[in-house]
Amino acid sequence: AQKITQTQPGMFVQEKEAVTLDCTYDTSDQSYGLFWYKQPSSGEMIFLIYQGSYDEQNATEGRYSLNFQKARKSANLVISASQLGDSAMYFCAMRDNFNKFYFGSGTKLNVKP
Amino acid sequence: GAVVSQHPSRVICKSGTSVKIECRSLDFQATTMFWYRQFPKQSLMLMATSNEGSKATYEQGVEKDKFLINHASLTLSTLTVTSAHPEDSSFYICSARDRPRGVIYGYTFGSGTRLTVV
Repeated sequence: AQKITQTQPGMFVQEKEAVTLDCTYDTSDQSYGLFWYKQPSSGEMIFLIYQGSYDEQNATEGRYSLNFQKARKSANLVISASQLGDSAMYFCAMRDNFNKFYFGSGTKLNVKP
Repeated sequence: GAVVSQHPSRVICKSGTSVKIECRSLDFQATTMFWYRQFPKQSLMLMATSNEGSKATYEQGVEKDKFLINHASLTLSTLTVTSAHPEDSSFYICSARDRPRGVIYGYTFGSGTRLTVV
């Protein structure tokens, strides 16, 4: 069974500092995709970054980078130079071989001025 | 980029009535649509997967007769909550998979519908 675990229900970070949001996953699939989404209070799901299971290099998208450690089955999100607008819920998700998505329980990030 | 328009964004209905939620892909053809449900402060849970022109596949524990999904065209999928009750109050969000054109942008979420049943 597929499972995504986010162990940090809430995180605080000072503006302009970097923060790491943890995500571990469990799957027996060889091919899968890992995603991070941001969900502001309005509810929409905003795609941030993607890592394929066969990608050897860590994905980066602007201030977002994904620390992919396949052997540990972890896919942590690193946000550099945090901004006040980064305050939101963050979900880690995995897409399996059947294109189904499994989401973690989320981490609420609060950026302090 | 791909856009999925979801309506309504908020709806309040009386217990026992039915509510229809629409998800429309604006600039691509959505061969597959996923419907999720999210309770307050919880994660998204997949309810069902629909492919254009065929019956939806429901996840275990989701009542097919209560949550009717129609995916009659490549640009429109609807979720109807029939005989809604207060326990159906939740945030419903769709996600569309467009035709294969790149794995990153193959999945686009709607903006969600907050349903409150009174």
